[in-house]
Amino acid sequence: SQTIHQWPATLVQPVGSPLSLECTVEGTSNPNLYWYRQAAGRGLQLLFYSVGIGQISSEVPQNLSASRPQDRQFILSSKKLLLSDSGFYLCAWSVGRLGGFTDTQYFGPGTRLTVL
Amino acid sequence: GNSVTQMEGPVTLSEEAFLTINCTYTATGYPSLFWYVQYPGEGLQLLLKATKADDKGSNKGFEATYRKETTSFHLEKGSVQVSDSAVYFCALGDSGNTPLVFGKGTRLSVIA
Repeated sequence: SQTIHQWPATLVQPVGSPLSLECTVEGTSNPNLYWYRQAAGRGLQLLFYSVGIGQISSEVPQNLSASRPQDRQFILSSKKLLLSDSGFYLCAWSVGRLGGFTDTQYFGPGTRLTVL
Repeated sequence: GNSVTQMEGPVTLSEEAFLTINCTYTATGYPSLFWYVQYPGEGLQLLLKATKADDKGSNKGFEATYRKETTSFHLEKGSVQVSDSAVYFCALGDSGNTPLVFGKGTRLSVIA
């Protein structure tokens, strides 16, 4: 069966510090990978998605970046955090399906980031 | 483009009440439709889905029917429990290997 891991679970960082959040998926190959953010009490904001190694689509221009160094690893980074980067960060995966309909997305447990 | 509209929350119900959370969509083709649930402090979990018109998805007492004629996928449960308190997201999946399109979420609070 497939599992998705995110770490750390919680993080408190000062403004201006760097960020690295990691997401890994087990039990599948060539997944589509996604990063979302939820501000407190708000809906989901898609940040990045990837359909393959080195292929990253950015949905919202901001001070965050994403990388996919391995097939089942997705990293969210920032060089300098802003107060507005606080939120709940969710990673998700789905079966890569060229030409077909987007399949179910499976979410990780999330990382709670507080920027002070 | 594709979009999903959910009823605004929060929704507050007494235990054993009937639940309906409305969801309508706009899509150019015939998408797949999903309901996800998010419990406090957790990630989203798939609750149910339907892949074609007139399909009914069901799970844990929740149901939703894919209605092409009204472009809707309303979530229903006959008798809610306190443990159903969560945020519910409706989502749409279209062709092209693109991310699901999510509604804004509806917070449900069930009181004993």
